[in-house]
Amino acid sequence: KQEVTQIPAALSVPEGENLVLNCSFTDSAIYNLQWFRQDPGKGLTSLLLIQSSQREQTSGRLNASLDKSSGRSTLYIAASQPGDSATYLCAASNSGYALNFGKGTSLLVTP
Amino acid sequence: NAGVMQNPRHLVRRRGQEARLRCSPMKGHSHVYWYRQLPEEGLKFMVYLQKENIIDESGMPKERFSAEFPKEGPSILRIQQVVRGDSAAYFCASARFSDRDTEAFFGQGTRLTVV
Repeated sequence: KQEVTQIPAALSVPEGENLVLNCSFTDSAIYNLQWFRQDPGKGLTSLLLIQSSQREQTSGRLNASLDKSSGRSTLYIAASQPGDSATYLCAASNSGYALNFGKGTSLLVTP
Repeated sequence: NAGVMQNPRHLVRRRGQEARLRCSPMKGHSHVYWYRQLPEEGLKFMVYLQKENIIDESGMPKERFSAEFPKEGPSILRIQQVVRGDSAAYFCASARFSDRDTEAFFGQGTRLTVV
């Protein structure tokens, strides 16, 4: 059974800092791994999707890496902004469709 | 192209009543997934449906919960005789294809409160 863990559970940084969010998973036989953003009371917005054959994906100020052998993924956010404040969720898929989510990292970027 | 639409956004039910949650997938998407987010917990997969078929319901509670995706109309998640423990946010996602390269898009969720 896939278990996904995200560390830290909460993080507060001043605006402009670069930061790293961590995700670990127990079953390395994944098809893909996704990072999402969830704003309070809102749905999920997909940020990056990394296939099992890929090592990283980039979108704007976001970079996600994947190391299947160690069961780890990181989300790097460059030059953080107050608008980045949200909960970031990591999800690994072993079936190709069902996602196993971590509990998320709650990020606060202060002006 | 409208995103995944869920309604209602908020639903209050008394214990013992029925809850019906609706999900209209994105245009052209024939694959629907339901997830549940309990307070202080991560999202948990419940069920995967294609038009008129349940593909994987391994995450569905054995009793009181059912889901359908008819040929016409939205997908419905139905909870009979709700209990306080059913209070959660229920999210629907849809995808165009079922293969692993296909990204799923999520709706804004229905927040069910059982009083």
